[in-house]
Amino acid sequence: DVKVTQSSRYLVKRTGEKVFLECVQDMDHENMFWYRQDPGLGLRLIYFSYDVKMKEKGDIPEGYSVSREKKERFSLILESASTNQTSMYLCASSALGPSYEQYFGPGTRLTVT
Amino acid sequence: AQSVTQLDSQVPVFEEAPVELRCNYSSSVSVYLFWYVQYPNQGLQLLLKYLSGSTLVESINGFEAEFNKSQTSFHLRKPSVHISDTAEYFCAPYNQAGTALIFGKGTTLSVSS
Repeated sequence: DVKVTQSSRYLVKRTGEKVFLECVQDMDHENMFWYRQDPGLGLRLIYFSYDVKMKEKGDIPEGYSVSREKKERFSLILESASTNQTSMYLCASSALGPSYEQYFGPGTRLTVT
Repeated sequence: AQSVTQLDSQVPVFEEAPVELRCNYSSSVSVYLFWYVQYPNQGLQLLLKYLSGSTLVESINGFEAEFNKSQTSFHLRKPSVHISDTAEYFCAPYNQAGTALIFGKGTTLSVSS
């Protein structure tokens, strides 16, 4: 059974803290994605990666960075968390190519206070 | 610019009633089209997709969607819904200009008895 796991389901951090969200997939997928999901806004792409050490900005990269040192792991980093980054964060992976479905993790609900 | 529009943010229906969730996309995106579903407290999962060939595609749980090129639509339908279909549904065309899906803002389907 294919699986995308995220390091935490719920996370509470203080403003200004550095936050790491981890995502691991076991399907040997080339593509990995980070989205944030907010009510009424749907899913918005933050960053994606199509290979180790490669990354591309999505629609809302400001305030975020990513790291992909190994094929199976894609990390999202909030350098200095702010309250407007309170959100649900979803990680996904897919094989290379537009016809392949994305497999999603369960999400991390991050609250920044 | 948003390239996909889900015309209804919420659709309440009674069990066994038919339902249609509407999706329109701009002609600038690829004709690879996807519907994803998110059940309460879960990540997203693929419901169905159109890549080529027959314009009518079906899912294993009774949903179907029809690709209409002239109207740039990909509406999702089910002739008789169940309580278990209660979920949020996302239409997602593939962005040919980039390398990622564009997700709509979502439609919450609420089925009551």
